[in-house]
Amino acid sequence: AQSVTQPDIHITVSEGASLELRCNYSYGATPYLFWYVQSPGQGLQLLLKYFSGDTLVQGIKGFEAEFKRSQSSFNLRKPSVHWSDAAEYFCAVGARGGATNKLIFGTGTLLAVQP
Amino acid sequence: GAVVSQHPSRVICKSGTSVKIECRSLDFQATTMFWYRQFPKQSLMLMATSNEGSKATYEQGVEKDKFLINHASLTLSTLTVTSAHPEDSSFYICSAPGTGVNNEQFFGPGTRLTVL
Repeated sequence: AQSVTQPDIHITVSEGASLELRCNYSYGATPYLFWYVQSPGQGLQLLLKYFSGDTLVQGIKGFEAEFKRSQSSFNLRKPSVHWSDAAEYFCAVGARGGATNKLIFGTGTLLAVQP
Repeated sequence: GAVVSQHPSRVICKSGTSVKIECRSLDFQATTMFWYRQFPKQSLMLMATSNEGSKATYEQGVEKDKFLINHASLTLSTLTVTSAHPEDSSFYICSAPGTGVNNEQFFGPGTRLTVL
């Protein structure tokens, strides 16, 4: 069965510092992979996605993620965090070829940014 | 880009009443929509898949008689929480897949339900 693990429930970084949020997935083949961000009381905004090709994916707001098949990981990175990046981040996996397009979400990582 | 709206954004109701939440795809058609539930400080849990013109498919453990889903048109799915109780208080989010084949989904802004 598909599953997504985000080991870090809560992370605090200083503004301007680099960031890496971890995501590991379990899936029988290469899945579709996504990172979403959610601000308090809001819906989800897609940061980036991986379908195929280059394993380093660039997203919005200066985020990037790298798909590592050998580690079943899809970690999210940003070289310099801004205070506005404080939010909850969700990694998600979707099945390839599935008719239902369901997504399975990780438990999320809450990012706090210190001034 | 594809836009999904939800209405209402917030609703407060008394225990025992029913509440309807609408999910609309504004600039594209969606034969399938998904309903998620999110408890405070938790992840999104898929409740059901809404299918236009046919019955919804519910995830294990979700009461279909409690959470009625109707997908009457290609742009509208509704979720009705029947006989709501305080434990139904949650953030409900819908999504619709885009027209591509790559599972990209577009999420609504969510509906905060509070049952008193």
